Amino acid sequence: DTGVSQNPRHKITKRGQNVTFRCDPISEHNRLYWYRQTLGQGPEFLTYFQNEAQLEKSRLLSDRFSAERPKGSFSTLEIQRTEQGDSAMYLCASSHGTGPRYEQYFGPGTRLTVT
Amino acid sequence: AQSVTQLDSQVPVFEEAPVELRCNYSSSVSVYLFWYVQYPNQGLQLLLKYLSGSTLVKGINGFEAEFNKSQTSFHLRKPSVHISDTAEYFCAAKHQGAQKLVFGQGTRLTINP
Repeated sequence: DTGVSQNPRHKITKRGQNVTFRCDPISEHNRLYWYRQTLGQGPEFLTYFQNEAQLEKSRLLSDRFSAERPKGSFSTLEIQRTEQGDSAMYLCASSHGTGPRYEQYFGPGTRLTVT
Repeated sequence: AQSVTQLDSQVPVFEEAPVELRCNYSSSVSVYLFWYVQYPNQGLQLLLKYLSGSTLVKGINGFEAEFNKSQTSFHLRKPSVHISDTAEYFCAAKHQGAQKLVFGQGTRLTINP
């Protein structure tokens, strides 16, 4: 068990460019979550997958954001036409189940800076 | 709507002193409560959680928290802190049946020698 991994760890992009982040959950974890954390704030929920199905999306996830989880394994989060307000830490988490006894394990995050 | 409030953005304490990090939640339905720690350049790690039963919950690294339903609080405590406890601490809540965690704003714990 190597934990949740995220790539890249850091990304600097110019406003208007598209970026894509990858999350590899703990193997056999069928639930995968994306959160966004801005400076000085706690993480905010973005979206959630059960296997390959995206079951919930936050209103924070504008039309410029899209997330996928093909084959129920790794997940990608793409941001199109980035804006400076997209600068944040993007966190991925995975869990074995959905009940409260199933801990969400977090990855180290991808820090996005939009210049 | 569910919300979580951490009353202190920063808490400085001396090494070996006790510490309490405060957390209040608001919810009209049953909630589960969590404390996470985030060390620099690392992901969030679960310290402890309250699901049901005993209101005093013990976690890792000597931390404990007490669930107080009447005061809607879930404060985190440690009787004697170490330099290695320097980190950001997040309180989080989850509605019964919901998937997402709702986090507070975080409290930065700084340990002075």
